[in-house]
Amino acid sequence: AQKITQTQPGMFVQEKEAVTLDCTYDTSDPSYGLFWYKQPSSGEMIFLIYQGSYDQQNATEGRYSLNFQKARKSANLVISASQLGDSAMYFCAMRELVRTGANSKLTFGKGITLSVRP
Amino acid sequence: EAGVTQFPSHSVIEKGQTVTLRCDPISGHDNLYWYRRVMGKEIKFLLHFVKESKQDESGMPNNRFLAERTGGTYSTLKVQPAELEDSGVYFCASSQVFGSGRVTQYFGPGTRLTVL
Repeated sequence: AQKITQTQPGMFVQEKEAVTLDCTYDTSDPSYGLFWYKQPSSGEMIFLIYQGSYDQQNATEGRYSLNFQKARKSANLVISASQLGDSAMYFCAMRELVRTGANSKLTFGKGITLSVRP
Repeated sequence: EAGVTQFPSHSVIEKGQTVTLRCDPISGHDNLYWYRRVMGKEIKFLLHFVKESKQDESGMPNNRFLAERTGGTYSTLKVQPAELEDSGVYFCASSQVFGSGRVTQYFGPGTRLTVL
């Protein structure tokens, strides 16, 4: 069964520094997609970045990049130049594409709380 | 363009009562999903609609939960009768139907349900 693991305790980072949020996954599906979402204190879930298992390059979206290491089954989110507004909970999620299809459910990890210090 | 909206934002009910949550997806999104997060745990999938049809309801915990999407627009999730373990945040998400795996689900702000 597919599984997402986020084991870091609450993370702290100084404003303007970079931070890495860890995510490991487990799946037997040969094709899958990995997502990161941000949930600020206001509660909404904001999509940040996507990585496909067959993508040749690591995904990047502005200050967000994904350190995708397929052999290690890890998909860590890197946030560069942290801002105070980055303080939030971050969720890693996965979709299995062969077993369940391109429009199927997401499986989430427990999330990591990031606090940015001024 | 309006995002996914959910109503109410908070609901506090007593055990045994009935609660109905509503989700309005982004206009034009045929996929609609319900998820739930119990305090401190993962966000868990409940149900997936494609238009008005239930595509996957494997995550529905039991028959006290009833989801509908009449007309393929908004959806409701009814809990009847509510139990203490139903407390949590209920998220709705929607997406367009594509063949690519990078189909992004857009989430609403959630409904925080507290059962006393």
